[in-house]
Amino acid sequence: QQQVKQSPQSLIVQKGGISIINCAYENTAFDYFPWYQQFPGKGPALLIAIRPDVSEKKEGRFTISFNKSAKQFSLHIMDSQPGDSATYFCAARPQGAQKLVFGQGTRLTINP
Amino acid sequence: NAGVTQTPKFQVLKTGQSMTLQCAQDMNHEYMSWYRQDPGMGLRLIHYSVGAGITDQGEVPNGYNVSRSTTEDFPLRLLSAAPSQTSVYFCASRPTSGRPNQTKFGPGTRLTVL
Repeated sequence: QQQVKQSPQSLIVQKGGISIINCAYENTAFDYFPWYQQFPGKGPALLIAIRPDVSEKKEGRFTISFNKSAKQFSLHIMDSQPGDSATYFCAARPQGAQKLVFGQGTRLTINP
Repeated sequence: NAGVTQTPKFQVLKTGQSMTLQCAQDMNHEYMSWYRQDPGMGLRLIHYSVGAGITDQGEVPNGYNVSRSTTEDFPLRLLSAAPSQTSVYFCASRPTSGRPNQTKFGPGTRLTVL
């Protein structure tokens, strides 16, 4: 069963625009929410992460917004660039566990 | 450090054949895991290990076996390959203590079962 739901499945954004990817989780208690970036032929790499006691975290052009009451979190990419074209995965870690539960992934294309 | 290495990079099997996907890490990470990646499904956990001699099942363990005889290696065995096991397989590792952002993924193995 998929405990983390990610949308959209694919997204096309013009260069300079804002890319927004959303994730929602269900009843399980999670204590860590990372986002991974994956380029074709490569393994996922950690992009940015947030804990549930924080509502927003920003690193450069990448921002995570976290809404604990709605059980939702989102990735915003400001001033999107063609080099940002990749597949993005949200994930969540159950409390007390080592494993990660991943969303379905979003293929992002930034048009020049 | 080489990080997390996986071999082979590509593999084609016939239904019923067996094979082992290799994974090794040189970061002395206690926790290692195997995921499969399928279109529209994200990454799903197959098996994981919190240390040498300790393994446990993830979301989709059927058809796969693992063992962890050393800290460095965590091979994934397909006993009798099926077309449903066509996928890209990723190995990941991290320390069990410390910052969770130390999770590292390998480059993946693309497996096709005919």
